[in-house]
Order: sequence, then C-alpha cells, then structure tokens
Amino acid sequence: EVQLVQSGPEVKKPGESLKISCKGSGYNFGNYWIAWVRQMPGKGLEWIGVMYPGDSQIRYSPSFQGQVTLSADKSISTAYLQWSSLKASDSAIYFCARHNCYDAWGQGTRVTVSS
Amino acid sequence: QAVVTQEPSLTVSPGGTVTLTCGSSTGAVTNGHYPHWFQQKPGQAPRTLICDTTNRLSWTPARFSGSLLGGKAALTLSGAQPEDEADYYCLLSYNDGRAWVFGGGTKLTV
Repeated sequence: EVQLVQSGPEVKKPGESLKISCKGSGYNFGNYWIAWVRQMPGKGLEWIGVMYPGDSQIRYSPSFQGQVTLSADKSISTAYLQWSSLKASDSAIYFCARHNCYDAWGQGTRVTVSS
Repeated sequence: QAVVTQEPSLTVSPGGTVTLTCGSSTGAVTNGHYPHWFQQKPGQAPRTLICDTTNRLSWTPARFSGSLLGGKAALTLSGAQPEDEADYYCLLSYNDGRAWVFGGGTKLTV
C-alpha cells in the first residue's frame, strides 16, 4: 500500500527556521514526484511545488519561489519542506502528495507561527 | 500566474445531478491542462477523485465523472448522496507541467 506519513505539528516563533518531512512507503520513492500543498486556516488549497527525489529536480510555484525550499533524501524515502525564517503568515496545514494523479496524500502537518 | 476559477458554492438535492466547473484565466481548459478534481471534508486531507480530465481513481464512486465542457473542466455528480457534501477543488497544469494551480474551491451542499 502506498503511504505518505508526515511529521507532527509544529509551534514556532517568527524568524525561526523549520523543516517538516514526508516519508513514503509501499513504492519506489525515487521514481515519483512529490508535491507540497498549503492550506491556510479556513482557506483553499495552494500548490507550492514539486520535487523528483530521483534526481532532485524541483519546480516551484512563482508564489512560493524563494519563500520555501524543497528537498529529499531518497535513501530514507523522505521529502522535506523548509523555511529559513518563518512568518506568522506561514501558519497553515501543509500536505505532501504523490504527484501521480495525486493518488496518495500525507495526513498534513499543522504549522503555527506565533510570538 | 494563471488564475483558476470555480463556483464558490453549489447546492444539489439528494439524488440530483450537479456540475462543477473549472476555468482558466489563460483561455479554454484542454486535456493539456491535465485537470484533476479533489474532494475535501472538514479536518481531512484532500482525496483525489479524477485525474487527467476523465480518469477515476480506484476509490472514486461511479457517480462522479470528469469532462471538458464549454472551455472548462467539469466534474459531474449524478445521484448525489449526503456524504458528497464537501469542498471540491480542481487543479490545472501549466507550462508543460512546470507549474500547477488550484482553483479556489466549490462548497457543495447536498
């Protein structure tokens, strides 16, 4: 069974850094793009970008370029989404999904940024 | 960046039929936008219903179907059930798959 399991909720202060994870299982992780999606409180879905763990190709939405960094370690079947300096407006739930008909989703990671 | 538009809200009677649409600010939606449709219920992760315009996933009930209609992508629900009440989002591909954009979502009431 294809599964994506994300890291747990985070509470951070503005200006802090953060890296959240998405671990895949049940398939060859390096052979499928992983997408990241943001959902701010009470709002819709926003496409952040995708990464191909096999060769580290990355494509960012223009709205998120420079705001976040996607990475992956295919040896441990894990993708990452990171921030170097969080803002309160980064508070949201972040989902990862397999970018293959989006046929598998992580459960979401809630990030709260508050002073 | 392109803007993808959906009806903010729709209502359908139990057993009825409703069509949700997904338009693009760049012009007509085509198969080359690889339209995807997702269902999201409160407190849950999204679930994919349709990908690549018409393809149902293994868990997608047969009452959901995808198509192109009048220059937009469309999701038709035939025989609505109370459990279909949810938010529905479309996703379109641009620049040969280098960028993807979600629509704003449709809140469907059954």
